[in-house]
Amino acid sequence: QKEVEQNSGPLSVPEGAIASLNCTYSDRGSQSFFWYRQYSGKSPELIMFIYSNGDKEDGRFTAQLNKASQYVSLLIRDSQPSDSATYLCAVNIDRGSTLGRLYFGRGTQLTVWP
Amino acid sequence: DTGVSQDPRHKITKRGQNVTFRCDPISEHNRLYWYRQTLGQGPEFLTYFQNEAQLEKSRLLSDRFSAERPKGSFSTLEIQRTEQGDSAMYLCASSLAGWGLAKNIQYFGAGTRLSVL
Repeated sequence: QKEVEQNSGPLSVPEGAIASLNCTYSDRGSQSFFWYRQYSGKSPELIMFIYSNGDKEDGRFTAQLNKASQYVSLLIRDSQPSDSATYLCAVNIDRGSTLGRLYFGRGTQLTVWP
Repeated sequence: DTGVSQDPRHKITKRGQNVTFRCDPISEHNRLYWYRQTLGQGPEFLTYFQNEAQLEKSRLLSDRFSAERPKGSFSTLEIQRTEQGDSAMYLCASSLAGWGLAKNIQYFGAGTRLSVL
């Protein structure tokens, strides 16, 4: 079982809608959670990170974490065509040493159509 | 520019040749990571350094791969006797982190795209 699972999509939403991206993780030692955006041919760009249960909001983006269900999501409000990209979910897992590597899902491709 | 810098951006090589990539992290960051990403997949961890020390290596990192960070600043990743399966985007990231529940926010460079013919 992979540490991080994402639906690869594609997810297609109209401009102005809410896009909902989901991620599940398998290791209960997962401590911190990250969402990266990656445009085609470019490197990952950090959008949000979250450590505690609940919601964290930053502009049009909201990250939600539920540790009991081992589930993290990203909501994008008022979606814009420029949000069209692949969204990568990543986790840090505490396996007895200092937190190091990130474990990534395969990403969800989002298309926002005008 | 104070971001993570990688060089070269693109590398085309013939099978069997050696290649070396360089990464310059954000200046105050003590951790440096290498990941590899193939089409349609998320980045896969290869190795990371805290200062000069290489703290973890993935099973993916065969004997043909070696990474160094000799002075705790820039790092190099060398692939010897390249194979077509090595074709990928090689990503470098850096963070400022310590022991315990570190936030470990990793910032990525633009990557080096390797094509092995």
